[in-house]
Amino acid sequence: DAGITQSPRHKVTETGTPVTLRCHQTENHRYMYWYRQDPGHGLRLIHYSYGVKDTDKGEVSDGYSVSRSKTEDFLLTLESATSSQTSVYFCAISETSGPNYGYTFGSGTRLTVV
Amino acid sequence: ELKVEQNPLFLSMQEGKNYTIYCNYSTTSDRLYWYRQDPGKSLESLFVLLSNGAVKQEGRLMASLDTKARLSTLHITAAVHDLSATYFCAVDTDSNYQLIWGAGTKLIIKP
Repeated sequence: DAGITQSPRHKVTETGTPVTLRCHQTENHRYMYWYRQDPGHGLRLIHYSYGVKDTDKGEVSDGYSVSRSKTEDFLLTLESATSSQTSVYFCAISETSGPNYGYTFGSGTRLTVV
Repeated sequence: ELKVEQNPLFLSMQEGKNYTIYCNYSTTSDRLYWYRQDPGKSLESLFVLLSNGAVKQEGRLMASLDTKARLSTLHITAAVHDLSATYFCAVDTDSNYQLIWGAGTKLIIKP
C-alpha cells in the first residue's frame, strides 16, 4: 500500500470560487502527480512534482496550480473554478524500482462545479 | 502527437468466452501499464510490461507487449462476471515520466 490519501472525497462548489484538493502520502515518494478523469478521455495529467518545490505542467494545466512544500503533501488549486473543471481528480505516486514499480493512485476526489 | 488507442471501447460478452483488448500507441516506449477500474473506484494496477516480448499472466488475464509493433494486448480467458470493469492501458514516455492513457475499454460480462 503506497499510503496515498486524497481529501476531500467529494466536493460541490460554485463557479468562480477557489478550491484546493489535497494529496497526502506516507512513504516519502519523490514523484507525485495530479490527473483528471473525464468520460471518453482516460486520464490526463494536470501537473506533477519531482520534489519539494519542484513542479511542472502536464497536458491540461490551464486553470490549475500546484504546490509542494513538504514531501508528503501535493496540493492542487483551482483558482477560480469553472464548470469545465467538473471531473474526478486522482493523485498518484510512482515507484521507479523494486516490486512496486509503476504508478499507484489515490481514491479520487469527485468535484462538481455548479 | 502522442496517442494511445484502445479497441474496442465497449465489449459485452458471455461468461466462458475468450476475448482480447488491444492497445496501440504512437511513440517509442518499452513501458506499458494495464489498469482496472470499477465504477466509482480508483485505478488498480494489473500489469507492468517493461520490455519487448514481455508477457504476464494473472488468473484469467494475460498481457503482452510488442514494442516493435507498438501494440499491447490484454487477453481474457473463460471470462467470469467478476471481470466486468473498465480496463485502461497507459504508456510511459521518456518525457518527465508522463503517462499517456487510452480511453478505456468498458467490459461487461453477462452470466
